[in-house]
Amino acid sequence: LAKTTQPISMDSYEGQEVNITCSHNNIATNDYITWYQQFPSQGPRFIIQGYKTKVTNEVASLFIPADRKSSTLSLPRVSLSDTAVYYCLVGGGGYQKVTFGTGTKLQVIP
Amino acid sequence: EAQVTQNPRYLITVTGKKLTVTCSQNMNHEYMSWYRQDPGLGLRQIYYSMNVEVTDKGDVPEGYKVSRKEKRNFPLILESPSPNQTSLYFCASSFRGQGGGYTFGSGTRLTVV
Repeated sequence: LAKTTQPISMDSYEGQEVNITCSHNNIATNDYITWYQQFPSQGPRFIIQGYKTKVTNEVASLFIPADRKSSTLSLPRVSLSDTAVYYCLVGGGGYQKVTFGTGTKLQVIP
Repeated sequence: EAQVTQNPRYLITVTGKKLTVTCSQNMNHEYMSWYRQDPGLGLRQIYYSMNVEVTDKGDVPEGYKVSRKEKRNFPLILESPSPNQTSLYFCASSFRGQGGGYTFGSGTRLTVV
């Protein structure tokens, strides 16, 4: 089961692009990379998922290099409402015992 | 609306009094799981179920039981709650092989006194 490492916290000003990187050196061949957003006292919310290269949806982009040992979540033009904890999760390729890391607490500053 | 529903949202109970937290999903997901979240410790998996009648331990199963008699329901049972089980609990579900794209419930805040 791949262990993930993320920065504990990040600050960003409103309107800037934010990139959060997750390391997962022992990712397995059939593992996906998924990012979640969590607000206080709420359940985590699915943001984006990818396997390789780049994935983009209406809220974020996910960049995965060829070796897949890391991934970067990119949030364009953040607003105050993006202040939350962001989790990177690696697995799902048959591994249903999953471990969330401690996440990255993003603080958006006016 | 596709969702995972947990009940109750808040619960205060006394040590040793058995309780059940219910979890139900309407997405026909095979996989369901319970997590607890404590300050500074992130989300820790308690139990998970790959399908009906198939359950397995996560990282912190001690003091908890689960059952999966129907596909949509996955209750969490605390036979004899203790204060160290005071926590925020989340249920989640997904299709198998979805790569971890879980849908989470809104949470149950449990206080054991």
